[in-house]
Amino acid sequence: GAGVSQTPSNKVTEKGKYVELRCDPISGHTALYWYRQSLGQGPEFLIYFQGTGAADDSGLPNDRFFAVRPEGSVSTLKIQRTERGDSAVYLCASSLRGGWSSNEQFFGPGTRLTVL
Amino acid sequence: AQRVTQPEKLLSVFKGAPVELKCNYSYSGSPELFWYVQYSRQRLQLLLRHISRESIKGFTADLNKGETSFHLKKPFAQEEDSAMYYCALAAQGGSEKLVFGKGTKLTVNP
Repeated sequence: GAGVSQTPSNKVTEKGKYVELRCDPISGHTALYWYRQSLGQGPEFLIYFQGTGAADDSGLPNDRFFAVRPEGSVSTLKIQRTERGDSAVYLCASSLRGGWSSNEQFFGPGTRLTVL
Repeated sequence: AQRVTQPEKLLSVFKGAPVELKCNYSYSGSPELFWYVQYSRQRLQLLLRHISRESIKGFTADLNKGETSFHLKKPFAQEEDSAMYYCALAAQGGSEKLVFGKGTKLTVNP
C-alpha cells in the first residue's frame, strides 16, 4: 500500500510569505507527527496529532507555525510570515496509534522549504 | 530534558570490517531507544528498536543504562550499509515525540 505522502516536494518562497505544507498519512493511522530537519541536524519534533486533536504542540517554535488535521487524516502545516531561518526539510510521520511503546513511525519523503 | 548525542558526524570503514556507530542519551526516566536509517534518496525508516531485541540486516544494538548508551554494531560491514544513521529516543509516560541525534554518515568502502 501507499506510504506517507507529502506535497509539495519542494517549495520556494519569499521572506514574509505564507506557506502550507500537506501530509497524507497511511490509511488507518491515527497518530501523525511533524518534524523539521535543518541542514546537518537530525529531525526536530514540532507537533503530534492523535486523531483530530493536537496532543503535543510543544515543538512549534513560535506562533507563526500552526497545524491542523480537521478530519483525522490529512494534515496541513501552516507557516505565516516566513523567515529565512524557516528553510528546512519538513517531515511528516504517521503511526497506527500513539503511545511511547506503540507502533513504528513511518516517515514521508519530506517537503524542502526554501525561504529567499 | 532529553538529549541524544552521536559523537561521530562521519564514519568510514572498509567492506568486511566491523562497524560501531555510537549513541549516548540523556534522560532521567526509562527511555525507548531506536535507530533510524536513511539511504541515499530514500525516506527515513526504522532500523531497529531496543525493546524488540531484533537483529536487522546484521545490525544489533544493546541498551546500556549504566553508560546511557545505545551503540549500533555490525560485525561485517557491507557497501549497501552506506547511509545516514540516526539514533532516537522516546520518553516513557505519554510523550509521543522522538528526540533525534544529529546523525552519523557511514561510508563503507569496497
